[in-house]
Amino acid sequence: DAKTTQPPSMDCAEGRAANLPCNHSTISGNEYVYWYRQIHSQGPQYIIHGLKNNETNEMASLIITEDRKSSTLILPHATLRDTAVYYCIPDREGGSEKLVFGKGTKLTVNP
Amino acid sequence: DAMVIQNPRYQVTQFGKPVTLSCSQTLNHNVMYWYQQKSSQAPKLLFHYYDKDFNNEADTPDNFQSRRPNTSFCFLDIRSPGLGDAAMYLCATSRDLRTGGEQYFGPGTRLTVT
Repeated sequence: DAKTTQPPSMDCAEGRAANLPCNHSTISGNEYVYWYRQIHSQGPQYIIHGLKNNETNEMASLIITEDRKSSTLILPHATLRDTAVYYCIPDREGGSEKLVFGKGTKLTVNP
Repeated sequence: DAMVIQNPRYQVTQFGKPVTLSCSQTLNHNVMYWYQQKSSQAPKLLFHYYDKDFNNEADTPDNFQSRRPNTSFCFLDIRSPGLGDAAMYLCATSRDLRTGGEQYFGPGTRLTVT
C-alpha cells in the first residue's frame, strides 16, 4: 500500500475554503485516493474518492495531480462543524479489504 | 435513514471480565468490519466478515473474537479484557469487498476497563 504524508494540523477561517494536501508519491496505478474525516468522539465519515480525474460531491472537491503523486481535498466554505481529523487513504481498485488509516490532518475551523 | 448502530455507546468492564459489543446495520451490506481506536491514534482494523466468511488480521490478539449471526448484526467479544484494551471500538460496513474503500462507520463504543 502507498504511504501518505499529511500536515499534522491546519487552521481555516469559517466561511473560507479549506485546502487539505496529501502526498502519496508511491501510489500505484490501480490505487484510488479515499478521503475520510473523523469528528471528535464520532466514527470516521467517508467524504470522496478518485483515481485520476478531479471529483466533486456535495461535501467536497478532490483535486488529483496529473502524476497522481499528490491530491488536495477542498472544503469550499468551511464551517465550525468541519473541524475534524481528515485522512487521505490510498486503496487499490477493487478494494484491499481494509482501510489503513495514517495520522491525518487535524483541521480546526475558527470563527 | 439507513445506518450503522452500535450499542452501547459507553461500556465499562472489569479487568478479566468478558464483554460483548454489538453492531447492527440497516444498509444490507455484505461486509462488516471491527476497528480498534486507542486514544490519539488512528483506527486499526481487527477483523471483518464478508457475508459469513470471517477474516482476522494477523496481529489481532486471540482475546478478540467476533460473531455474525445474520446480515444485520455483528458482535465483538473480548474474552479477558486487559487495561490495554481500553479504546473506542468502531463498527463499519461496505456493500461488498469490491467497494471496500467506501465504508460506513457507526458512532463507536468507548470501552473502559477498570
